[in-house]
Amino acid sequence: EAGVTQFPSHSVIEKGQTVTLRCDPISGHDNLYWYRRVMGKEIKFLLHFVKESKQDESGMPNNRFLAERTGGTYSTLKVQPAELEDSGVYFCASSQATGGWNIQYFGAGTRLSVL
Amino acid sequence: AQSVTQPDIHITVSEGASLELRCNYSYGATPYLFWYVQSPGQGLQLLLKYFSGDTLVQGIKGFEAEFKRSQSSFNLRKPSVHWSDAAEYFCAVTNTNAGKSTFGDGTTLTVKP
Repeated sequence: EAGVTQFPSHSVIEKGQTVTLRCDPISGHDNLYWYRRVMGKEIKFLLHFVKESKQDESGMPNNRFLAERTGGTYSTLKVQPAELEDSGVYFCASSQATGGWNIQYFGAGTRLSVL
Repeated sequence: AQSVTQPDIHITVSEGASLELRCNYSYGATPYLFWYVQSPGQGLQLLLKYFSGDTLVQGIKGFEAEFKRSQSSFNLRKPSVHWSDAAEYFCAVTNTNAGKSTFGDGTTLTVKP
């Protein structure tokens, strides 16, 4: 069974450009989460999808970030325009059901470098 | 609000020595607690979890952790460290209802030969 996959593994862009990150969850997992780790600090929650609906987007830093999950399958996270402080590692995770007791399976992350 | 503190940013141990990584959490109710490990170029891998019941939980790769409610701690231990255990370790607490996780800053483990 394929795990959570994220594309690209590394992206280098200039300030002001747009970048789109993609996450393919484990097949059949309704829950999809985005997290971000900036400057070696803690991994912070960004948002949570249940199928195609945003369950919780309280962690999204500002309106330059747009997450979508059309059809309840893969998800994209677009940053437009990118700023220097957006650099970091973006993780995606998926779980079969909703609730804290459900194990989240993480992808390897996308390392975003904004120059 | 939930929070997690990992006091040790970096720990170095000799191969074969015992290991304890500290984790303190803050959460209003009974927490769901997790330890993850991340090796270079890899995603976060779940080592073990605590939901309820026996406060000493066993995980993969010979790791265990003990939940101590009175100390709000969930420390990770291993009796004998192997060179392959060198990685970064994260403690996390998860929101009961939705599964939103809060992580500590991580502890980087270096293993000396």
